Amino acid sequence: QQQVKQSPQSLIVQKGGIPIINCAYENTAFDYFPWYQQFPGKGPALLIAIRPDVSEKKEGRFTISFNKSAKQFSLHIMDSQPGDSATYFCAATWIGGATNKLIFGTGTLLAVQP
Amino acid sequence: NAGVTQTPKFHILKIGQSMTLQCTQDMNHNYMYWYRQDPGMGLKLIYYSVGAGITDKGEVPNGYNVSRSTTEDFPLRLELAAPSQTSVYFCASSYSMAGANGYTFGSGTRLTVV
Repeated sequence: QQQVKQSPQSLIVQKGGIPIINCAYENTAFDYFPWYQQFPGKGPALLIAIRPDVSEKKEGRFTISFNKSAKQFSLHIMDSQPGDSATYFCAATWIGGATNKLIFGTGTLLAVQP
Repeated sequence: NAGVTQTPKFHILKIGQSMTLQCTQDMNHNYMYWYRQDPGMGLKLIYYSVGAGITDKGEVPNGYNVSRSTTEDFPLRLELAAPSQTSVYFCASSYSMAGANGYTFGSGTRLTVV
């Protein structure tokens, strides 16, 4: 129940395409779903996050779609650029729990070709 | 602010040797974490700490030890290094355990055990 399943493991798109990365969770208590972006040689960094009271959140070219009934959420990158090439991790947790850590997905390696 | 600083960035260790990976943060975060990242396996939590003097095991603690004598520092000790400990190690810190304001990661230590 603590797992977050992420797919695909890797993804190649052309510049301008819209890569979509999907995540699924089991624990219905989870109420905070962030995405982290990791460039080669760097640590992950918080990109965007969503709470389950909304079905979509946009920040620039990045959009999270959230489907509470299906227990799924996804990251869409509009007009993708070569600079978006990175590893993306979804995560989930119950924000109200003082001892609840972030549970990370296994990551998606995205390559955006020029 | 420097954020989370890890040293060294790279290291080659011989089987059976021991070493300490250093991690320090200047954000006055109570929560600190050590992760290892292996290709296709995502981020695995090794140990975490909720404050000075308090540490606890994560998913994969065997072969590692930690201490937290100050809020700023959270070193990771490898005893009797094995090839299976070849990995990239990330230290992170956060204001809250659930990471509502994000986990701040260091740039990582790439460790090879030969």
